[in-house]
Amino acid sequence: DSGVTQTPKHLITATGQRVTLRCSPRSGDLSVYWYQQSLDQGLQFLIQYYNGEERAKGNILERFSAQQFPDLHSELNLSSLELGDSALYFCASSLSLLGLAGGAFNEQFFGPGTRLTVL
Amino acid sequence: GENVEQHPSTLSVQEGDSAVIKCTYSDSASNYFPWYKQELGKGPQLIIDIRSNVGEKKDQRIAVTLNKTAKHFSLHITETQPEDSAVYFCAALEVSGVNFGNEKLTFGTGTRLTIIP
Repeated sequence: DSGVTQTPKHLITATGQRVTLRCSPRSGDLSVYWYQQSLDQGLQFLIQYYNGEERAKGNILERFSAQQFPDLHSELNLSSLELGDSALYFCASSLSLLGLAGGAFNEQFFGPGTRLTVL
Repeated sequence: GENVEQHPSTLSVQEGDSAVIKCTYSDSASNYFPWYKQELGKGPQLIIDIRSNVGEKKDQRIAVTLNKTAKHFSLHITETQPEDSAVYFCAALEVSGVNFGNEKLTFGTGTRLTIIP
């Protein structure tokens, strides 16, 4: 158990709908990262938050948005869903930024994922 | 942006033999290279990592080597055991922005390792 929790575990919805995925980072972790894992694309970085602020964006579609709340939990909102959005969505957290730890690197801990199926 | 290529996509190894997975990256500014193991139904888990100023790192049966000039790094697993069967991902970290606060971890496409008893 990594200490990162994600809800729900599974989500089945229809095209055109909107869903919200939730992530609670490990206690004390300030950074949250979202990833999409599909069969043909591997793990794709979507977005990073650090202490409530957006820090980096990857291949995140305009239909997707995220935020990190004052209690540090994060939500990923997916709207106007398409069949191709079916995937595993992972949240990860780290103590601070990965690359700022006196020359060392902080480990990134992954949650168990949310499996999204769009029918 | 960074591009990470990983080979092979599948690898079957007899128990007790060694396994090697190779990755190449494109951005010479990338400075941190972690390896993750993903078991069925779980999220990826860090197994070993290496910084750009280090050429090799070893942790029991697992080792990682980095060649900065050639921009490639490899995972070596010796004396493989059935519990090593999983999907393995390499990754490269790009850091940019003010105070280097913008981080992007780019993953390889994964290697499904099967250990044959």
